[in-house]
Amino acid sequence: QTVVTQEPSLTVSPGGTVTLTCASSTGAVTSGYYPNWFQQKPGQAPRALIYSISNKHSWTPARFSGSLLGGKAALTLSGVQPEDEAEYYCLLYYGGAWVFGGGTKLTVL
Amino acid sequence: QVQLQESGPGLVKPSQTLSLTCTVSGGSISSGDYYWSWIRQHPGKGLEWIGYIYYSGTTYYNPSLKSRVFMAVDTSKSQFSLKLSSVTAADTAVYYCARYSGSNRWFDPWGQGTLATVSS
Repeated sequence: QTVVTQEPSLTVSPGGTVTLTCASSTGAVTSGYYPNWFQQKPGQAPRALIYSISNKHSWTPARFSGSLLGGKAALTLSGVQPEDEAEYYCLLYYGGAWVFGGGTKLTVL
Repeated sequence: QVQLQESGPGLVKPSQTLSLTCTVSGGSISSGDYYWSWIRQHPGKGLEWIGYIYYSGTTYYNPSLKSRVFMAVDTSKSQFSLKLSSVTAADTAVYYCARYSGSNRWFDPWGQGTLATVSS
């Protein structure tokens, strides 16, 4: 059973920077895992932010960036805004199947 | 722009089959690059990829659900569907449909989701 692990929760101050990570139980996350990142606010469907490690959708704010960091996929928010408070999910590809991480609840305080 | 809308019974009895439909509007379900996905979210929990289907009928399923999942596509109605058999309370979730780009490996847009409750 493949497990994708994210930090359960993180807290950041407005204007600050925070990095969320996404680890695979199978080993280092590489480009072949095509990491995706989603933002979900209460009562809403998830919204796509990042795909294939670092590619942004047209609506993704510039303060969001994706990367590979220390064998994990990473999502960095720079200059955090109050509206960034949400649950963030990563998604990894395992050769024909996709597995979501458990999500990170980001609190802006 | 493309929009997706889920529909189906909100209540299913244990051991029965859950059936959901996703209607695609604003674009063609037969577009060559796209697969049509189902993803679910248990109440208060994380997301789970169920699988996706190409307009030709080719399917890819989550191995953990594969024995109970069937997906189909009806291009004439611009719809695709999910059937999950032998449901239990553990299948109670919000079910989302989403478009998947095979070339760019992203999932967007998503439908608003529909809650399916398994209860007698």
